Order: sequence, then C-alpha cells, then structure tokens
Amino acid sequence: DAGVIQSPRHEVTEMGQEVTLRCKPISGHNSLFWYRQTMMRGLELLIYFNNNVPIDDSGMPEDRFSAKMPNASFSTLKIQPSEPRDSAVYFCASRHLMGGWILNTEAFFGQGTRLTVV
Amino acid sequence: DQQVKQNSPSLSVQEGRISILNCDYTNSMFDYFLWYKKYPAEGPTFLISISSIKDKNEDGRFTVFLNKSAKHLSLHIVPSQPGDSAVYFCAASLQGGKLIFGQGTELSVKP
Repeated sequence: DAGVIQSPRHEVTEMGQEVTLRCKPISGHNSLFWYRQTMMRGLELLIYFNNNVPIDDSGMPEDRFSAKMPNASFSTLKIQPSEPRDSAVYFCASRHLMGGWILNTEAFFGQGTRLTVV
Repeated sequence: DQQVKQNSPSLSVQEGRISILNCDYTNSMFDYFLWYKKYPAEGPTFLISISSIKDKNEDGRFTVFLNKSAKHLSLHIVPSQPGDSAVYFCAASLQGGKLIFGQGTELSVKP
C-alpha cells in the first residue's frame, strides 16, 4: 500500500484566495483525521471522520475552514478565504477502527502539505 | 484547552544514555496512548503504544510507562542513538476514535 497520500506537498497562495488540500487514506481504513502543525499547539486536531461522516469538527478554527469526505478514498480541507496566519503544515491521517470502535490501533500519517499564504 | 501536554519543548542527551520524554493529560476518559516520532519534512510515524489497563509496554530500546493516578506517561529510550534525534509526540485516544496530540518534544542525541 502506498500509505496516506496528500497533495499538493507545497502550496503558496495569496491572501484571500481559496486553498484546497487533498487526502487519500489507506485503503480499508474507516477513520480519517486532519491536523495542523504549529509551534504553540503541536499537532492540532481540526476534524475527524468515521465512515465518511464528520464526527468532531470542534478544532476547525473558523468558518473559513471546511472539510468533506465524499467517499472512503478521498477527503478535502478547504480554506476560503485564506489568510497569512493559516500558514502551517497540514497533515492527514487514517486508521482502521474495528467493530465497536475498539481503539487499539495506530493512525498513519501522510507527508503533509506545507501551506504558505502571502 | 490542551488536553495532552508535553511541557518540555526540547531535550538534549548524550549518545548511549537514557532519554526520558514526558507527557501529561487531563481527561481521565482517554483509554489508549501512543508515541510518534517525526523527522523534518516527513509525517509522524508510530513508535509505541499502551492501553490504559497496563502500566508498561516495552519494544526493544523503547519503553512507555503509564501512571493513571497521576495522568502521566513517559517514553524511555535506552540506549539513545544519534538517529533517535527527532520530534516526539505523545497522543491519547478517546471512545469514538478522537485522537489528540501534544505539542511535541524535540530530542537531540549528541555523539
């Protein structure tokens, strides 16, 4: 398996533009996470999905951020409009939750998307 | 509200000695804990985990200890090697699958 695939690896955009980050989870995984890495908060959980359904989006910083998971093999994180303070590395991760949501499994991360908003 | 805290941003250790990385949490509902390692320009990779029903888990040079009464876990690396230099994140998992990470500790192992 190729692992979790994120695209693009790097994105530079101007303030006010729309940015879309993409993620393909590992095949067979039924849980997907979006994180943002910052110095102050470390790996900050933005949102996560179970079986393509958003479960907790309390970490999404503002209404400018939205995430979708239209099917089991694809998710997007969109920022509209983007601002310089959104500059960070964004990670997608997936894991397989077994029946009854037994939690003894690790999550696998993609390589991340480094976003720079100028 | 930082539910998982790593209060030491950095740690420097001599090669061959023990590295001890610490993590505190506030939510007693966490039932599974994990440590990840991250190199620059790469995604975090899983290192070792422990269930809340245990107090120790060992894998080669890596041992994780859990003290539930103190809401504290630690990662011990013995002996430390220069290749262990990286950022280490602890994480905790809740029922329903929510996975929360700490701020990370940058470990530097000097030859």
